Amino acid sequence: KNQVEQSPQSLIILEGKNCTLQCNYTVSPFSNLRWYKQDTGRGPVSLTIMTFSENTKSNGRYTATLDADTKQSSLHITASQLSDSASYICVVSGMTTDSWGKLQFGAGTQVVVTP
Amino acid sequence: NAGVTQTPKFQVLKTGQSMTLQCAQDMNHEYMSWYRQDPGMGLRLIHYSVGAGITDQGEVPNGYNVSRSTTEDFPLRLLSAAPSQTSVYFCASSYSRMGLSYNEQFFGPGTRLTVL
Repeated sequence: KNQVEQSPQSLIILEGKNCTLQCNYTVSPFSNLRWYKQDTGRGPVSLTIMTFSENTKSNGRYTATLDADTKQSSLHITASQLSDSASYICVVSGMTTDSWGKLQFGAGTQVVVTP
Repeated sequence: NAGVTQTPKFQVLKTGQSMTLQCAQDMNHEYMSWYRQDPGMGLRLIHYSVGAGITDQGEVPNGYNVSRSTTEDFPLRLLSAAPSQTSVYFCASSYSRMGLSYNEQFFGPGTRLTVL
């Protein structure tokens, strides 16, 4: 079972509207949580990185929240634009002592912004 | 800086053929990795390297080989391609390891591979 679950799987929103994407994880112990944006045909690009002690982190119109107690994170997109159409991936890093570290990737939420 | 580059962008192979996916970065990052991305699934780690001459297996290493002779390059070799290896492959690099560090991982543009 994937240790990082994202919802919804996909959503369609009108340009200018807001939306919120959810990420639930079971990775433990937890180190940090990242949100990536992946445009079609491109590699993922980092939006935010939060450690367990951070509750919120913003990057322009993107705001991520984290509740480490309930193991939930959300990504809020404000005043969506056509360029926000992409897949948004939640990635959770477990705390390990090995040489690499342990990343768990969610399957992503596909967002389509329509005019 | 070009960041992380990958070649080719697209490739079609027949079952049993071998090939090498190229990856290079110009950020002097020690840590490099290869992932595959399949529909409906998160990225899965194939192999990784923590420095020149040091490589290790990730989550799904079977059927793939890697080497790291320089800091800049991290090629991925498919030994005998199978249809199950049809996927999009991403190379990534970072300054340090992911688990305990608060750093960013940079991804290449990907190689879309089809095995017939």
